[in-house]
Amino acid sequence: NAGVTQTPKFRILKIGQSMTLQCTQDMNHNYMYWYRQDPGMGLKLIYYSVGAGITDKGEVPNGYNVSRSTTEDFPLRLELAAPSQTSVYFCASSTGGFGNTIYFGEGSWLTVV
Amino acid sequence: DQQVKQNSPSLSVQEGRISILNCDYTNSMFDYFLWYKKYPAEGPTFLISISSIKDKNEDGRFTVFLNKSAKHLSLHIVPSQPGDSAVYFCAVGDSGGGADGLTFGKGTHLIIQP
Repeated sequence: NAGVTQTPKFRILKIGQSMTLQCTQDMNHNYMYWYRQDPGMGLKLIYYSVGAGITDKGEVPNGYNVSRSTTEDFPLRLELAAPSQTSVYFCASSTGGFGNTIYFGEGSWLTVV
Repeated sequence: DQQVKQNSPSLSVQEGRISILNCDYTNSMFDYFLWYKKYPAEGPTFLISISSIKDKNEDGRFTVFLNKSAKHLSLHIVPSQPGDSAVYFCAVGDSGGGADGLTFGKGTHLIIQP
């Protein structure tokens, strides 16, 4: 029972580099999310998707892009990495609707130097 | 401006005693409320939830209380066990709003002392 799987778990990027965080879920959930968590802070929504082909911005979308070509996959692209993007990134999914319980992946630790 | 506030960054409780974690929210449109537990180097995991039509929900050692008039919810853990040491996030949702997931508090680090 894999649930939500994220890769890589750890990554160090140089300023200006780009990379993609991969996320896949096997629960056939329509809704998927990317959150980031900075030290001592709560989770902040970057982007979300309510189904294949549909994405929308969350609270902190700047510097990121997403795509949703299939129900299972929701990659997060970082373009021109900056130190402010050093954070822990969590992918999540849910069925949506009332009483929405969101299921999280284990996280990806990203450091930009 | 924080919509969800967990005012205690950390809480230390003796094993066997009751742990009470608190959460305040500002928007009366929120109508379901969840608690997540997070261990270091892992993702948050769902613990317990409550909808606005109830004021209490129990699941084993965990009980969530909701006071809608005060816009306050709390999580009670009794008796507290060493494995309960973790960061606990309060999360709120609005079923009538958009699909943009949940709004989270900053978390409370619960430490259970032997």
